[in-house]
Amino acid sequence: AQSVAQPEDQVNVAEGNPLTVKCTYSVSGNPYLFWYVQYPNRGLQFLLKYITGDNLVKGSYGFEAEFNKSQTSFHLKKPSALVSDSALYFCAVRADTGRRALTFGSGTRLQVQP
Amino acid sequence: DAMVIQNPRYQVTQFGKPVTLSCSQTLNHNVMYWYQQKSSQAPKLLFHYYDKDFNNEADTPDNFQSRRPNTSFCFLDIRSPGLGDAAMYLCATSREAGTGIEQYFGPGTRLTVT
Repeated sequence: AQSVAQPEDQVNVAEGNPLTVKCTYSVSGNPYLFWYVQYPNRGLQFLLKYITGDNLVKGSYGFEAEFNKSQTSFHLKKPSALVSDSALYFCAVRADTGRRALTFGSGTRLQVQP
Repeated sequence: DAMVIQNPRYQVTQFGKPVTLSCSQTLNHNVMYWYQQKSSQAPKLLFHYYDKDFNNEADTPDNFQSRRPNTSFCFLDIRSPGLGDAAMYLCATSREAGTGIEQYFGPGTRLTVT
């Protein structure tokens, strides 16, 4: 079975400060990892993914994530937060073989204060 | 722009009255998914189509059915909605080729059951 843990329900950060949203995963085989963002009453928007290669992945809107195989983590980061980054963030995983379905974490609400 | 479209955005139905939600895509992706999301929780996969092959999740109630008449369209039928079926329903697509496997989501349909 595969699973994703997002240990923080909410992360608060001041505008201009760096942000980190944490994600750890469990999967059989090699992981495919994803981050999505959701604004109120909207669908999920793809931010970035790790499939293979460089452990540091860059995505949309200045976000990046670092894949750490030994710690089974895929934390989302941004050097300088914007108020408009305030939203719900989901980490998701699937294995590189077999079942195509994504397993999502429970989500982390990011609040960026002006 | 290529996209995933869901209609309607808001749907109100009565307890026990069948309802159909619609999803269409211009991405020409071969896989289409239906998720249920309640109260900013993690999306829960109901089923997906890989081309014409239907894949049901083991815990999806029989009350939920789906049809995919062609590549572009997919429908979610709720045969007898209960109060517990009130949720946001998200449609997603993916290409499942090479490394381009991320899912693209529509804006969702918010279903209210009265």
